[in-house]
Amino acid sequence: RKEVEQDPGPFNVPEGATVAFNCTYSNSASQSFFWYRQDCRKEPKLLMSVYSSGNEDGRFTAQLNRASQYISLLIRDSKLSDSATYLCVVKPHQGAQKLVFGQGTRLTINP
Amino acid sequence: NAGVTQTPKFQVLKTGQSMTLQCAQDMNHNSMYWYRQDPGMGLRLIYYSASEGTTDKGEVPNGYNVSRLNKREFSLRLESAAPSQTSVYFCASTRRGRTEAFFGQGTRLTVV
Repeated sequence: RKEVEQDPGPFNVPEGATVAFNCTYSNSASQSFFWYRQDCRKEPKLLMSVYSSGNEDGRFTAQLNRASQYISLLIRDSKLSDSATYLCVVKPHQGAQKLVFGQGTRLTINP
Repeated sequence: NAGVTQTPKFQVLKTGQSMTLQCAQDMNHNSMYWYRQDPGMGLRLIYYSASEGTTDKGEVPNGYNVSRLNKREFSLRLESAAPSQTSVYFCASTRRGRTEAFFGQGTRLTVV
């Protein structure tokens, strides 16, 4: 089983729609969670951290469910510019030097 | 600031050739990483360096070597390239105590 798993998609949604995707992680000791965004043929960039109580950044909402070991990303009022691949990222444990990346979920927003 | 700079951006190698991918960061970060990204596999860690003078294997180190030349630079060497090493390679760095990773623009390597 992969350490971090995501549905690769692609998700195709109309502009203005709300879209959500999940990511599951296998290590219950995982400490920190993130969503990164990667545009086509570009490098990944941090979108947002995911906090235990859930957090929001504009149109983006991230949530963590430790009991079921998944994190989610919700995008409201989607824009064409939201088209990208969204990478779920986990820091395996406190003091871990590395981050573990999911394979990414590809999202296309259609006009 | 340039952030994380990788060279070259593109490279085609013949099987058996060697090459070094260069990475430099100007953010005074302690930790540096090399990842490869393949379709359907996500980013996989090859090697990392938690601090100057140390290097450790990641998930897929076979066929690669690294050198942490100084705090700024972390190079990845392919001694004898194989077609299975065709991939996009990303260098990244993080600041001590922080988990946000900053990535270079990537090197697209094709081994024929």
